[in-house]
Amino acid sequence: QVQLVQSGGGVVQPGGSLRLSCVASGFTFSSYEMHWVRQAPGKGLEWVAVISYDGERTYYGESLKGRFTISRDNPDNTLYLQMDNLDIEDTAVYYCARDGRSDYFDYWGHGTLVSVSS
Amino acid sequence: DIQLTQSPSPLSGSVGDRVTITCQASEDISIYLNWYQQRPGKAPRLLIYDASNLQTGVPSRFSGSGSGTHFTLTISGLQPEDIATYYCQQYDSLPVFGGGTKVEI
Repeated sequence: QVQLVQSGGGVVQPGGSLRLSCVASGFTFSSYEMHWVRQAPGKGLEWVAVISYDGERTYYGESLKGRFTISRDNPDNTLYLQMDNLDIEDTAVYYCARDGRSDYFDYWGHGTLVSVSS
Repeated sequence: DIQLTQSPSPLSGSVGDRVTITCQASEDISIYLNWYQQRPGKAPRLLIYDASNLQTGVPSRFSGSGSGTHFTLTISGLQPEDIATYYCQQYDSLPVFGGGTKVEI
């Protein structure tokens, strides 16, 4: 069965960096676009970034201002999100999600909490 | 950029009720509208894709309809396990979510 297992969250000071990981199993990882979506405490869902199946194309939400980098390692079935110059407003649960080939998110990771605090 | 507006929120119902959530798009998006359920403390779950297609494993009491700018998600026979927040989502140039509708019993 499809599984997305996340790791890498935690507490970081403003201006710090963190890298999230999402290990995929149960499907051919290299055939699917992958996304990151986040949810601030008590708020709704916010799309963060997408990466093409081969890693050649990436797109980001406008609010990220070039601070985040999405990448993938297809041989290792792993998706990454490198987050730099973190701000308090980046505090959220971050989810990885598979793109179901028709621009919807058909499988989601369990989420990982990133807390930016001094 | 296309925006999605959901109503109502919150939505209160009783077990067995038929409840309907609305999602209004700021532009014509044809049928490219998806619905998710997020139970408290859990990851979102895809319910409906392309406006009316039920995702595998989702109970048949969930249904979606609409096209263009007006879409609805209906729960026919509300169950206690349906307590959740429901989000619509579209993917024009980039993905966008509606603000969510919290369903209470």
